[in-house]
Amino acid sequence: GNSVTQMEGPVTLSEEAFLTINCTYTATGYPSLFWYVQYPGEGLQLLLKATKADDKGSNKGFEATYRKETTSFHLEKGSVQVSDSAVYFCALSYRQGAQKLVFGQGTRLTINP
Amino acid sequence: SAVISQKPSRDICQRGTSLTIQCQVDSQVTMMFWYRQQPGQSLTLIATANQGSEATYESGFVIDKFPISRPNLTFSTLTVSNMSPEDSSIYLCSVETSLRVIQRNEQFFGPGTRLTVL
Repeated sequence: GNSVTQMEGPVTLSEEAFLTINCTYTATGYPSLFWYVQYPGEGLQLLLKATKADDKGSNKGFEATYRKETTSFHLEKGSVQVSDSAVYFCALSYRQGAQKLVFGQGTRLTINP
Repeated sequence: SAVISQKPSRDICQRGTSLTIQCQVDSQVTMMFWYRQQPGQSLTLIATANQGSEATYESGFVIDKFPISRPNLTFSTLTVSNMSPEDSSIYLCSVETSLRVIQRNEQFFGPGTRLTVL
């Protein structure tokens, strides 16, 4: 089956620290991989995506590389800001009729000034 | 992308009642979906809302409990029937907007409806 496992939170860092949130997946076939972000009081937003092995998705200073050999899609940012405080969800998509998303459990990130 | 609105944004309901949640998109979309996010949990797909036909439900979800309508390409409703406290969750609709293959796996989410059942 298809599943996503994320690094457990919550994660608390100081401003300008380096961030890694681990994500591994299990899938049949070749899924696309995503990171979504949910800022406090807001809806879910697509942060970045990668559609095939070795693709790197990037946005707002965040990056993640689709690693087929380790079935991973870890999220990284070199220098976090207070405004990055949010819940981050790793997800994969697979096609069963429609294109469907499977989410990880989410990681709550808090950045202190 | 698409602008998605949901109504109501939140509600507090009594056990045994039903609530209908509306999802409106500002443009015609190919696919619409409904998800549930239980407190402190991740998102789980409830069903795919099909325009002009019955919704397609995921394992563990049934039409009697979560009837869905999609009368046109911009609107869908999800009803949570005969509610119990275990139905307290955030319910989100999402849409897939593009027919282009490279973008077909992008989904955009509404702001969610926070439901509390007493």
